[in-house]
Amino acid sequence: DQQVKQNSPSLSVQEGRISILNCDYTNSMFDYFLWYKKYPAEGPTFLISISSIKDKNEDGRFTVFLNKSAKHLSLHIVPSQPGDSAVYFCAASAGGSSNTGKLIFGQGTTLQVKP
Amino acid sequence: NAGVMQNPRHLVRRRGQEARLRCSPMKGHSHVYWYRQLPEEGLKFMVYLQKENIIDESGMPKERFSAEFPKEGPSILRIQQVVRGDSAAYFCASSQGQGLTIGYTFGSGTRLTVV
Repeated sequence: DQQVKQNSPSLSVQEGRISILNCDYTNSMFDYFLWYKKYPAEGPTFLISISSIKDKNEDGRFTVFLNKSAKHLSLHIVPSQPGDSAVYFCAASAGGSSNTGKLIFGQGTTLQVKP
Repeated sequence: NAGVMQNPRHLVRRRGQEARLRCSPMKGHSHVYWYRQLPEEGLKFMVYLQKENIIDESGMPKERFSAEFPKEGPSILRIQQVVRGDSAAYFCASSQGQGLTIGYTFGSGTRLTVV
């Protein structure tokens, strides 16, 4: 049962353009969402997060949008740079008293930014 | 170096042998999470430990896998009688407290190959 889904395995964009990575989830108990970036042979690196009480969070070139009614979030990178080429993982966490910090990850989207 | 340290980086085991993966959390972090990434998949939660306690092992296979986080020393993920299907990248993350996903830091992983 894949509770967090990234339906696009890969995405290719031109340098300077916008990259949009999408993520869908099924569990309405999720209340915190994160994006991680991962290079080959390295561990995931935290990029940006959003709480379910917000619908947008921005940090420099990175913006995450959350649409709770659609159970959908997206990561926008603008402008895209070749160094952004990596695998991007969406992750979700359920809150409340049972929250242990366990993250549920999507399958990842490989972004390639062409110079 | 204040990062999460995992060793070894690469581990090759023959079927039936034991694999021991070590994780030293960041300084000041007393919460450790283990995740497994199978080829072409996202990270899957395995277990969450605090010092000397297993808090959530809902993602651990029922047999052959165990984890500990002793009072002194690193956290250990132990896989007994390894099989080919155990070949994966195993990532450890640490945080300052339970549910503090914003402070989650991952190590570079141990890549286990079972031959």
